[in-house]
Amino acid sequence: GENVEQHPSTLSVQEGDSAVIKCTYSDSASNYFPWYKQELGKGPQLIIDIRSNVGEKKDQRIAVTLNKTAKHFSLHITETQPEDSAVYFCAAKEWNNDMRFGAGTRLTVKP
Amino acid sequence: DTEVTQTPKHLVMGMTNKKSLKCEQHMGHRAMYWYKQKAKKPPELMFVYSYEKLSINESVPSRFSPECPNSSLLNLHLHALQPEDSALYLCASSQESYRWGEETQYFGPGTRLLVL
Repeated sequence: GENVEQHPSTLSVQEGDSAVIKCTYSDSASNYFPWYKQELGKGPQLIIDIRSNVGEKKDQRIAVTLNKTAKHFSLHITETQPEDSAVYFCAAKEWNNDMRFGAGTRLTVKP
Repeated sequence: DTEVTQTPKHLVMGMTNKKSLKCEQHMGHRAMYWYKQKAKKPPELMFVYSYEKLSINESVPSRFSPECPNSSLLNLHLHALQPEDSALYLCASSQESYRWGEETQYFGPGTRLLVL
């Protein structure tokens, strides 16, 4: 089955800096890669996703890149703000199989 | 609107109690899920309903019993739980049948369960 590894487990940045979180997956058949943000006491919220036929996707300060050859994808947050502080989960899914989550990254943005 | 609602927000129950968690979505989604999330861990899939039929049960103990009364509602009945079952229980939904394609899952806020 799919195995998703996520790094780093914790990340601390100054407000205004960029943050990058990386994930690798094992199953080359995976074709859908969402990123979720989970704030304390809340459920995971989808912030961006990418499908295997696309290499990069942007939504304002958030971007995701996908390298299918290397089987890794990354979340990029620019101009970070304190409200970006949360736990971020990557996930990978292949057709006809479960979605697998990474272990999560706790991002802290210091004012 | 991509809202999934869950009730209650918090639940404390004894090991002999019977309680139910409820989930609702009005997005016309045909797949609904229950996940369990322990502290500092990712969500773990428990059950999947697709077109109101149970399609996946990830070897969950029988003290957890899911029910899908209609396409908008999903329940999780709890009976004789153990303290280790304390966790955040998340409901999610997606537009189409779970395993068909690249389906975005939308999560509810969760029910925080404490078993004493």
